[in-house]
Amino acid sequence: EPEVTQTPSHQVTQMGQEVILRCVPISNHLYFYWYRQILGQKVEFLVSFYNNEISEKSEIFDDQFSVERPDGSNFTLKIRSTKLEDSAMYFCASREWAKNIQYFGAGTRLSVL
Amino acid sequence: SQQGEEDPQALSIQEGENATMNCSYKTSINNLQWYRQNSGRGLVHLILIRSNEREKHSGRLRVTLDTSKKSSSLLITASRAADTASYFCATAAGRDDKIIFGKGTRLHILP
Repeated sequence: EPEVTQTPSHQVTQMGQEVILRCVPISNHLYFYWYRQILGQKVEFLVSFYNNEISEKSEIFDDQFSVERPDGSNFTLKIRSTKLEDSAMYFCASREWAKNIQYFGAGTRLSVL
Repeated sequence: SQQGEEDPQALSIQEGENATMNCSYKTSINNLQWYRQNSGRGLVHLILIRSNEREKHSGRLRVTLDTSKKSSSLLITASRAADTASYFCATAAGRDDKIIFGKGTRLHILP
Protein backbone atom coordinates (compact mmCIF):
# COMPACT_ATOMS: atom_id res chain seq x y z
CA GLU A 1 0.00 0.00 0.00
CA PRO A 2 1.38 3.46 -0.86
CA GLU A 3 2.56 5.48 2.10
CA VAL A 4 4.05 8.82 2.98
CA THR A 5 7.69 8.45 3.95
CA GLN A 6 9.68 10.88 6.06
CA THR A 7 13.39 11.13 6.64
CA PRO A 8 15.21 11.22 8.92
CA SER A 9 13.22 9.60 11.69
CA HIS A 10 15.23 11.55 14.26
CA GLN A 11 17.22 14.74 13.74
CA VAL A 12 19.40 16.27 16.42
CA THR A 13 20.70 19.78 15.84
CA GLN A 14 22.26 22.67 17.67
CA MET A 15 20.27 25.81 18.31
CA GLY A 16 20.71 28.27 15.45
CA GLN A 17 21.44 25.61 12.84
CA GLU A 18 19.36 25.05 9.75
CA VAL A 19 17.50 21.77 9.29
CA ILE A 20 15.67 20.27 6.38
CA LEU A 21 13.04 17.67 6.98
CA ARG A 22 12.16 15.53 4.01
CA CYS A 23 8.95 13.90 2.91
CA VAL A 24 7.94 11.80 -0.04
CA PRO A 25 4.17 12.07 -0.41
CA ILE A 26 2.04 9.43 -2.10
CA SER A 27 2.68 9.72 -5.81
CA ASN A 28 -0.74 10.74 -7.17
CA HIS A 29 -1.50 13.14 -4.34
CA LEU A 30 -1.74 16.85 -5.02
CA TYR A 31 -2.10 18.43 -1.58
CA PHE A 32 0.74 18.40 0.91
CA TYR A 33 0.87 19.41 4.54
CA TRP A 34 3.21 19.79 7.47
CA TYR A 35 2.06 19.46 11.06
CA ARG A 36 3.98 19.41 14.29
CA GLN A 37 3.40 17.94 17.71
CA ILE A 38 5.32 19.24 20.69
CA LEU A 39 5.74 16.53 23.31
CA GLY A 40 2.54 16.07 25.27
CA GLN A 41 0.57 18.55 23.18
CA LYS A 42 -1.87 18.36 20.31
CA VAL A 43 -0.94 18.05 16.67
CA GLU A 44 -0.84 21.53 15.10
CA PHE A 45 -1.18 22.55 11.48
CA LEU A 46 1.80 24.39 10.01
CA VAL A 47 1.28 24.76 6.27
CA SER A 48 -0.53 23.41 3.25
CA PHE A 49 0.90 23.33 -0.25
CA TYR A 50 -0.85 22.93 -3.58
CA ASN A 51 0.06 23.63 -7.17
CA ASN A 52 3.63 24.47 -6.20
CA GLU A 53 2.76 27.16 -3.74
CA ILE A 54 1.75 27.65 -0.15
CA SER A 55 -2.02 27.82 0.05
CA GLU A 56 -2.40 28.30 3.78
CA LYS A 57 -0.12 28.67 6.78
CA SER A 58 -0.58 29.01 10.50
CA GLU A 59 0.80 31.61 12.87
CA ILE A 60 3.50 29.13 13.83
CA PHE A 61 4.83 29.13 10.27
CA ASP A 62 6.88 32.32 10.50
CA ASP A 63 9.77 33.53 8.38
CA GLN A 64 12.05 30.89 9.86
CA PHE A 65 10.08 28.21 8.05
CA SER A 66 9.88 27.44 4.37
CA VAL A 67 8.61 24.59 2.24
CA GLU A 68 9.67 23.42 -1.15
CA ARG A 69 8.85 20.76 -3.68
CA PRO A 70 12.24 20.63 -5.41
CA ASP A 71 11.32 17.81 -7.77
CA GLY A 72 8.35 15.65 -8.61
CA SER A 73 8.54 13.53 -5.49
CA ASN A 74 10.03 15.33 -2.49
CA PHE A 75 8.39 17.86 -0.22
CA THR A 76 10.67 19.54 2.30
CA LEU A 77 10.31 21.68 5.38
CA LYS A 78 13.24 23.93 6.18
CA ILE A 79 13.78 25.65 9.50
CA ARG A 80 16.37 28.35 8.94
CA SER A 81 17.67 28.97 12.45
CA THR A 82 16.35 26.46 14.91
CA LYS A 83 15.23 27.39 18.39
CA LEU A 84 14.84 25.19 21.42
CA GLU A 85 11.07 25.46 21.11
CA ASP A 86 11.19 23.95 17.63
CA SER A 87 11.82 20.58 19.24
CA ALA A 88 8.84 18.46 18.26
CA MET A 89 7.60 15.67 16.03
CA TYR A 90 7.01 16.95 12.52
CA PHE A 91 4.47 15.11 10.39
CA CYS A 92 4.06 15.33 6.67
CA ALA A 93 0.71 14.45 5.09
CA SER A 94 -0.73 14.29 1.61
CA ARG A 95 -4.07 13.74 -0.02
CA GLU A 96 -5.65 13.31 -3.39
CA TRP A 97 -7.60 16.00 -5.14
CA ALA A 98 -11.26 16.02 -4.08
CA LYS A 99 -10.65 13.42 -1.34
CA ASN A 100 -10.88 14.30 2.35
CA ILE A 101 -8.51 11.77 3.87
CA GLN A 102 -4.97 12.84 4.60
CA TYR A 103 -2.28 10.20 4.87
CA PHE A 104 0.43 10.87 7.40
CA GLY A 105 4.04 9.87 7.52
CA ALA A 106 5.60 8.36 10.63
CA GLY A 107 7.14 11.70 11.52
CA THR A 108 10.56 13.18 12.14
CA ARG A 109 11.53 13.83 15.73
CA LEU A 110 13.51 17.07 15.83
CA SER A 111 15.62 17.67 18.92
CA VAL A 112 17.18 21.13 19.20
CA LEU A 113 19.96 21.31 21.78
CA SER B 1 -11.41 27.82 16.90
CA GLN B 2 -12.81 24.78 15.21
CA GLN B 3 -10.86 22.06 16.91
CA GLY B 4 -12.48 19.02 18.44
CA GLU B 5 -12.01 18.41 22.11
CA GLU B 6 -12.05 14.83 23.28
CA ASP B 7 -13.45 13.42 26.44
CA PRO B 8 -12.24 11.66 28.51
CA GLN B 9 -8.56 12.63 28.38
CA ALA B 10 -7.61 9.12 29.46
CA LEU B 11 -9.48 5.83 29.61
CA SER B 12 -8.44 2.44 30.94
CA ILE B 13 -10.63 -0.59 30.33
CA GLN B 14 -10.31 -4.34 30.41
CA GLU B 15 -9.64 -6.23 27.23
CA GLY B 16 -12.90 -7.29 25.64
CA GLU B 17 -14.86 -4.33 26.95
CA ASN B 18 -16.16 -1.53 24.76
CA ALA B 19 -14.46 1.86 24.76
CA THR B 20 -16.34 5.08 24.08
CA MET B 21 -14.69 8.40 23.40
CA ASN B 22 -16.47 11.67 22.81
CA CYS B 23 -15.59 14.78 20.90
CA SER B 24 -17.07 18.25 20.72
CA TYR B 25 -16.36 20.97 18.22
CA LYS B 26 -17.33 24.57 17.80
CA THR B 27 -18.19 25.50 14.24
CA SER B 28 -19.96 23.97 11.26
CA ILE B 29 -18.14 21.16 9.52
CA ASN B 30 -18.12 19.26 6.25
CA ASN B 31 -16.89 16.14 7.89
CA LEU B 32 -15.35 14.84 11.08
CA GLN B 33 -12.57 12.30 11.25
CA TRP B 34 -11.00 10.09 13.88
CA TYR B 35 -7.30 9.26 13.94
CA ARG B 36 -5.23 6.92 16.05
CA GLN B 37 -1.66 7.50 17.17
CA ASN B 38 0.43 4.82 18.78
CA SER B 39 2.99 6.15 21.22
CA GLY B 40 5.62 8.18 19.41
CA ARG B 41 4.35 7.14 16.01
CA GLY B 42 2.45 8.65 13.10
CA LEU B 43 -1.25 9.26 12.76
CA VAL B 44 -3.47 6.64 11.22
CA HIS B 45 -6.81 7.60 9.74
CA LEU B 46 -9.61 5.46 11.15
CA ILE B 47 -12.91 6.74 9.87
CA LEU B 48 -14.60 9.77 8.35
CA ILE B 49 -18.21 10.77 8.84
CA ARG B 50 -19.83 13.47 6.74
CA SER B 51 -22.01 16.17 8.16
CA ASN B 52 -25.13 14.65 6.62
CA GLU B 53 -24.45 11.25 8.20
CA ARG B 54 -25.48 10.27 11.70
CA GLU B 55 -23.68 6.98 12.13
CA LYS B 56 -20.98 5.02 10.43
CA HIS B 57 -19.38 1.63 11.01
CA SER B 58 -16.02 0.19 10.10
CA GLY B 59 -15.15 -3.18 11.57
CA ARG B 60 -15.15 -2.79 15.35
CA LEU B 61 -15.49 0.98 15.09
CA ARG B 62 -18.74 2.86 15.29
CA VAL B 63 -18.87 6.63 14.94
CA THR B 64 -21.86 8.84 15.58
CA LEU B 65 -22.30 12.48 14.71
CA ASP B 66 -24.80 14.93 16.14
CA THR B 67 -24.44 18.20 14.30
CA SER B 68 -27.10 19.88 16.42
CA LYS B 69 -24.96 19.29 19.50
CA LYS B 70 -21.69 19.59 17.61
CA SER B 71 -20.51 16.31 19.03
CA SER B 72 -19.27 12.93 17.91
CA SER B 73 -18.48 9.65 19.59
CA LEU B 74 -16.17 6.81 18.71
CA LEU B 75 -17.02 3.36 20.00
CA ILE B 76 -14.51 0.54 19.83
CA THR B 77 -16.17 -2.79 20.53
CA ALA B 78 -14.50 -5.87 21.96
CA SER B 79 -11.28 -3.98 22.69
CA ARG B 80 -7.89 -5.61 22.24
CA ALA B 81 -4.47 -4.86 23.65
CA ALA B 82 -3.45 -3.52 20.23
CA ASP B 83 -6.09 -0.80 20.55
CA THR B 84 -3.96 0.91 23.19
CA ALA B 85 -3.19 4.30 21.63
CA SER B 86 -4.27 7.92 21.58
CA TYR B 87 -7.40 8.73 19.62
CA PHE B 88 -8.05 12.13 18.09
CA CYS B 89 -11.08 13.62 16.51
CA ALA B 90 -10.35 16.10 13.79
CA THR B 91 -12.24 18.59 11.73
CA ALA B 92 -11.23 19.88 8.34
CA ALA B 93 -11.13 23.59 7.64
CA GLY B 94 -9.98 26.04 5.06
CA ARG B 95 -9.81 25.70 1.32
CA ASP B 96 -7.29 22.87 1.52
CA ASP B 97 -9.01 21.03 4.35
CA LYS B 98 -6.23 21.47 6.86
CA ILE B 99 -6.92 19.26 9.84
CA ILE B 100 -7.55 20.68 13.26
CA PHE B 101 -6.91 18.07 15.93
CA GLY B 102 -8.22 17.84 19.44
CA LYS B 103 -6.04 16.95 22.41
CA GLY B 104 -6.94 13.29 22.17
CA THR B 105 -8.03 10.49 24.45
CA ARG B 106 -5.33 8.13 25.70
CA LEU B 107 -6.84 4.66 25.68
CA HIS B 108 -5.20 1.88 27.64
CA ILE B 109 -6.46 -1.66 27.31
CA LEU B 110 -5.67 -3.76 30.34
CA PRO B 111 -4.97 -7.48 29.84
